[in-house]
Amino acid sequence: KQEVTQIPAALSVPEGENLVLNCSFTDSAIYNLQWFRQDPGKGLTSLLLIQSSQREQTSGRLNASLDKSSGRSTLYIAASQPGDSATYLCAVMTSGSRLTFGEGTQLTVNP
Amino acid sequence: GAGVSQSPRYKVAKRGQDVALRCDPISGHVSLFWYQQALGQGPEFLTYFQNEAQLDKSGLPSDRFFAERPEGSVSTLKIQRTQQEDSAVYLCASSPGQNEQFFGPGTRLTVL
Repeated sequence: KQEVTQIPAALSVPEGENLVLNCSFTDSAIYNLQWFRQDPGKGLTSLLLIQSSQREQTSGRLNASLDKSSGRSTLYIAASQPGDSATYLCAVMTSGSRLTFGEGTQLTVNP
Repeated sequence: GAGVSQSPRYKVAKRGQDVALRCDPISGHVSLFWYQQALGQGPEFLTYFQNEAQLDKSGLPSDRFFAERPEGSVSTLKIQRTQQEDSAVYLCASSPGQNEQFFGPGTRLTVL
């Protein structure tokens, strides 16, 4: 059974810092990995999708990497802003198209 | 409105009542998913449709949970005889295929 772990569970940083969120998964037979953002009381917003054949994806200040063989992904956020405060969720797609999620990293960026 | 929509956004039910949650996927998306998110947890898979066919219902926690998508578009998740442990946010997602999933805002169900 696929299990996804995210570290740290919570992170508080001052504005302007670069930061890294970590995601690990137990079964490397994945189709893709997706990073989401969730604001309190809201749904999930897709940030980046990395196919299993890719190593990384970039969107603005966000960069996500994937090392499928070791079962790891990182989300790098450059020059963090208070508006980045949210919960970040990592999810992997395995057979059958279902997503398996981690429990998330709750990020607070302090002005 | 090009996104996934869900209704109602909030639902309060007394224990034992039946509830029905609706999902309108992005037009043209063949795949539709339901997830359950408990407070402070990541979402957990419930069920998956490809068009009108329910291909995977292995995540449904009990036979009180039932989902349908009769015309391959709108989907309804029904929970019979609700229990307190059913309280959660129910998220719907759609996808054009076996790829990126797009999520709706969710329905927050509270069972008293």
